[in-house]
Amino acid sequence: DAGVTQSPTHLIKTRGQHVTLRCSPISGHKSVSWYQQVLGQGPQFIFQYYEKEERGRGNFPDRFSARQFPNYSSELNVNALLLGDSALYLCASGTDFNSNQPQHFGDGTRLSIL
Amino acid sequence: AQSVTQLGSHVSVSEGALVLLRCNYSSSVPPYLFWYVQYPNQGLQLLLKYTSAATLVKGINGFEAEFKKSETSFHLTKPSAHMSDAAEYFCAVSDRGNTPLVFGKGTRLSVIA
Repeated sequence: DAGVTQSPTHLIKTRGQHVTLRCSPISGHKSVSWYQQVLGQGPQFIFQYYEKEERGRGNFPDRFSARQFPNYSSELNVNALLLGDSALYLCASGTDFNSNQPQHFGDGTRLSIL
Repeated sequence: AQSVTQLGSHVSVSEGALVLLRCNYSSSVPPYLFWYVQYPNQGLQLLLKYTSAATLVKGINGFEAEFKKSETSFHLTKPSAHMSDAAEYFCAVSDRGNTPLVFGKGTRLSVIA
């Protein structure tokens, strides 16, 4: 079975632009979470979606938004890009919301802002 | 609020030596604890998890961790380091398995031949 897939793998944007990152969860997983990993730091939670509803939001500005589609794939959108948005964006998928099963991560999208 | 502290941003060991990576957590509820490994230009791979069952948890690649509630610790160990263990290791806490993870800042493990 395929793992969590993210696209694109790399992306270069300039300040002020908009970006959309995509994630497909493991088959059968209904939950998708997004994390931002700045170089040299641990990942920080941005959003969690379960059954197409937002279930959690981290401490990120409103420039960040996300949604989950009926097939459980997800998009992360970032508007008005800043240099500080340069990071590895990780998607994780999970099963039931109250499950004790851990999340599984994709390989991420490396976003560079010039 | 939950938090994780990983002591030592960089640990260097000789091949064949004991690996010990330290993690202390803070949580107001019984925690779920995880260790993830990240190789260069890759995502996070789960090494092991603690979900309130056995306090000594065995994971993949010969790693294990012991949950010590009195010390609020969840240190990661491996008896004998291999060159392929060189990577970044992250400890994380959550209040359930599929809820937002709070990560530590990571420990980079170097293995010297």
